[in-house]
Formats: sequence, C-alpha cells, structure tokens
Amino acid sequence: GENVEQHPSTLSVQEGDSAVIKCTYSDSASNYFPWYKQELGKRPQLIIDIRSNVGEKKDQRIAVTLNKTAKHFSLHITETQPEDSAVYFCAASISVLRTGNQFYFGTGTSLTVIP
Amino acid sequence: DGGITQSPKYLFRKEGQNVTLSCEQNLNHDAMYWYRQDPGQGLRLIYYSQIVNDFQKGDIAEGYSVSREKKESFPLTVTSAQKNPTAFYLCASSVGWSYNEQFFGPGTRLTVL
Repeated sequence: GENVEQHPSTLSVQEGDSAVIKCTYSDSASNYFPWYKQELGKRPQLIIDIRSNVGEKKDQRIAVTLNKTAKHFSLHITETQPEDSAVYFCAASISVLRTGNQFYFGTGTSLTVIP
Repeated sequence: DGGITQSPKYLFRKEGQNVTLSCEQNLNHDAMYWYRQDPGQGLRLIYYSQIVNDFQKGDIAEGYSVSREKKESFPLTVTSAQKNPTAFYLCASSVGWSYNEQFFGPGTRLTVL
C-alpha cells in the first residue's frame, strides 16, 4: 500500500519567517494530496490541496508544490503568524473505481511560531 | 464545523468490553471514514465506506467492525479483540470518491481501563 513520510516532526520559526514541511509518497497511483491543520484539541481541517495534474497551488500565504517524478510534495507558509501554530498533516489519496478513495496520512509536523 | 458529529466526546470502558462509537453526518455525503489518531503516528485508516451497505477495510481494521445501514450514519465498534484500543478516534465524510475534501468530526477519546 501507500506510504507517506513527513518531515520534520517539529518546526519552530520566528514570526514573519517562512515554514516548509515536506512529504514523500510511494505509490505513483496517488492523485490527490491534501494538507490538514489541526489545532490543539480540535478536529483536522483542510487548508489546501493539490491534484496530480497540477505542479503548484497557492492560497494567500499558503502554497503547495508537487513533484510527481520524485514523488514528493511540500507545504509552504510565508509570513508566519502565531495563529499558524498547530499540527499539520499531509495526505496522499488513491481513487479506486467502486471502492473509492483511500487516504494515507503523514505522521504530522508540530509547527510553533514564536512571536 | 457543523454537519458531522461524534458521540460521546470521552468514553471509558473496561478491558474486554465491546464499545460502539457514533458518527452522524447531515451533509448528504456518500463517503465516510474512521481513523485512529495516536501521538506521533498521524491518522491511520480503520474502515471506509463509499455507499450504503458497503465498506472497505483500511490499514488497521483488525479488532474493529462497522456498519453502514444509513447514508448519514457510520458507527464503529471497538471489539475486545483490539489489543490496544485506547486512542483518539476521528470520523470523516466526503462528497464521494475522487478529489474531494474530507470533513472531520470532533473526535471521541476512548480510554480502556
């Protein structure tokens, strides 16, 4: 099955700096790559996603890049703010006809933005 | 955040007892999922269902069972066969298969004493 690895496991940045989180996946059939943010005690929420036919996607301070050849994708957060502090999860999804989507998550990155 | 609910928020059970976690959604989503979240291990898929009366095993299905008798409900039973059931359980739903966002419930923290 698919294996998603995520690095680093913890990341501390100064407010205003950029943060980058990287994930790799193993199954070339994966075609959808969402990123989730989970604040302490809350449920994960989607912050950005990318499909396999796109190399980069940006939404304000957040961007995701995908390299299908190398099987890796990254989350970039610019101008970080204290409210960006949370655990971030990457995921890879394989869509299979009839049985549907199976999502594989990375182990998470705990981001701390220091004011 | 509304639309997908889980109950109860906290659950305590004695070892050897089966326990059922509730997950309900009113988003009219076809697909529903159950994940287990342990510290340092991310989210691991237990079961998922794309349509009523059909479900598929995820990576860690052993010791768990599910049913999908109604579109809006996807209960998870943690059986006594699950060797380490203490964990945080998250339910999610999405419109259907293909490139669709998953919406998560608030989770249930199960502690087996």
